[in-house]
Amino acid sequence: AQTVTQSQPEMSVQEAETVTLSCTYDTSENNYYLFWYKQPPSRQMILVIRQEAYKQQNATENRFSVNFQKAAKSFSLKISDSQLGDTAMYFCAFMTARYGSRLTFGEGTQLTVNP
Amino acid sequence: NAGVTQTPKFQVLKTGQSMTLQCAQDMNHNSMYWYRQDPGMGLRLIYYSASEGTTDKGEVPNGYNVSRLNKREFSLRLESAAPSQTSVYFCASSERGGTGSDRQFFGPGTRLTVL
Repeated sequence: AQTVTQSQPEMSVQEAETVTLSCTYDTSENNYYLFWYKQPPSRQMILVIRQEAYKQQNATENRFSVNFQKAAKSFSLKISDSQLGDTAMYFCAFMTARYGSRLTFGEGTQLTVNP
Repeated sequence: NAGVTQTPKFQVLKTGQSMTLQCAQDMNHNSMYWYRQDPGMGLRLIYYSASEGTTDKGEVPNGYNVSRLNKREFSLRLESAAPSQTSVYFCASSERGGTGSDRQFFGPGTRLTVL
């Protein structure tokens, strides 16, 4: 079974600073995908960034980047130049090709960006 | 293009009552999913439909039934609601399913309270 763990229930950062959210996962699969989703107070689930396990290069999307350490089964999210609109719950999620497109989510990290 | 829509947005039930949560997508996606989100936890998969005419159990299927009415619609039914089913329910869809590169699009969620 796949598991995803986010060990930081809450984090805060000052506007314009950088913050890193942690995620670890456990799997015996070799072909899988990792995701970070953002859930603002509106409850809408928004895909932030995606990483394919077979790619060594870390994914980036504007101010968002990941540090993917396959051997350590670690997948952290770095948010640069934090903005007030980044305040949200962030979920790390895992998917394997073996089980179709089913996502396994971590418990989430509540990020607050302070002015 | 509304994406993924869910009805109702809120619902209060008494223990033992039944109800159906409706989900529709207008993106011509093949795969659809039902998740539940409980406080302090990430989303957990209840059921999914890889393609029209097929449904499969996810991580927490007990107490639920689903119907893939057609390619657009995927409903979730609670036959006899229990307080443990108090949760926020999300529907999602993806283009083709069965591949790890498939992005899921989420609906706005339904907040269900069972008294």
